[in-house]
Amino acid sequence: KQEVTQIPAALSVPEGENLVLNCSFTDSAIYNLQWFRQDPGKGLTSLLLIQSSQREQTSGRLNASLDKSSGRSTLYIAASQPGDSATYLCAVRGNNAGNMLTFGGGTRLMVKP
Amino acid sequence: AAGVIQSPRHLIKEKRETATLKCYPIPRHDTVYWYQQGPGQDPQFLISFYEKMQSDKGSIPDRFSAQQFSDYHSELNMSSLELGDSALYFCASSPGRGYEQYFGPGTRLTVT
Repeated sequence: KQEVTQIPAALSVPEGENLVLNCSFTDSAIYNLQWFRQDPGKGLTSLLLIQSSQREQTSGRLNASLDKSSGRSTLYIAASQPGDSATYLCAVRGNNAGNMLTFGGGTRLMVKP
Repeated sequence: AAGVIQSPRHLIKEKRETATLKCYPIPRHDTVYWYQQGPGQDPQFLISFYEKMQSDKGSIPDRFSAQQFSDYHSELNMSSLELGDSALYFCASSPGRGYEQYFGPGTRLTVT
């Protein structure tokens, strides 16, 4: 059974810092990996999708990398802003898991002005 | 751009009552997924549909059922509600299986 872990569980940084969020998964046979943002009590906003054949994806100040063989993905946020404060979730779709996404526990990010 | 629509956004029910949650996928998306997110927990996959047929089944209780209709909207029916069913219920859609999933705003169900 696929298990997804995110470290750290919570992170507080001053505005302007570059930061890295980590995601690890136990079964490397994945189809793709998605990073989401969730504001408190709100829905999930898809940030980046990385297919299993890709090494990284970029969108604005966000860069996500994927190392499938080691079961790891990182989300890099450049020049963090207070508006980046949210919970960031990674989710994996396995090759043998049908269409379901397996989510990590999330990293709760606070960017202080 | 059109997004996934869920209704209602908030729902309060009593124990043992029934609830129906609705999901309208993004136009031309034929795949719908349901997830449950309990307080302080990550989303858990319940069930999905592709072209109006059940595609995958996750940790959906037997008290729950779902279907996808001819216009691709989906409904999650929940019976004999329990306190533990209180959660955010998300619907997501994608243009086929394996593609990026786009999530709706969720329905917050409170069972009292």
